[in-house]
Amino acid sequence: QKEVEQNSGPLSVPEGAIASLNCTYSDRGSQSFFWYRQYSGKSPELIMFIYSNGDKEDGRFTAQLNKASQYVSLLIRDSQPSDSATYLCAGEGSARQLTFGSGTQLTVLP
Amino acid sequence: KAGVTQTPRYLIKTRGQQVTLSCSPISGHRSVSWYQQTPGQGLQFLFEYFSETQRNKGNFPGRFSGRQFSNSRSEMNVSTLELGDSALYLCASSLSGGGSGNTIYFGEGSWLTVV
Repeated sequence: QKEVEQNSGPLSVPEGAIASLNCTYSDRGSQSFFWYRQYSGKSPELIMFIYSNGDKEDGRFTAQLNKASQYVSLLIRDSQPSDSATYLCAGEGSARQLTFGSGTQLTVLP
Repeated sequence: KAGVTQTPRYLIKTRGQQVTLSCSPISGHRSVSWYQQTPGQGLQFLFEYFSETQRNKGNFPGRFSGRQFSNSRSEMNVSTLELGDSALYLCASSLSGGGSGNTIYFGEGSWLTVV
């Protein structure tokens, strides 16, 4: 069973802090990894994708990928209350399907 | 640039009925995938289509089927609906459905309630 595991939540951080979301995967064939944000009652919204080892930054978001450790993370700097949502990590395997983690619920406290 | 469009957004069906959901991908995108999201199982892959061909299928019963048209629009069908089919059905669009750097975008989803 190819799995994607996300760190257990819920996670609460104060406004302005760094939120760290983590994800591990079991399928070494996974090539790309995606972070989606999902607000309650809404569909997943793409935040970032990463496919090379190392860091990728986009505004307040930084994705990190370590293929040797099979580990993906998302850092949210200067967290805002509007960042409060469920964050989904997904890996794309060779079969062109996304395998999702169960999600981490993030709450940013004003 | 228009996003992924799914219709209908909300629907209620009775057990035993069938339902057809529609998805129009982002212009130029040729890969369409379908996912089911439930509180208990999370997001699960149903199938993926590219150039009118199903390339991959998830672990769902044969009651779940789909197709893709020459304009890349896709439909999925669920026959003999069961209560457990109540879920958010999401369509995902990408250029080719695979490979590094190939972003995948979701539509707003179709909320299906089976009563």
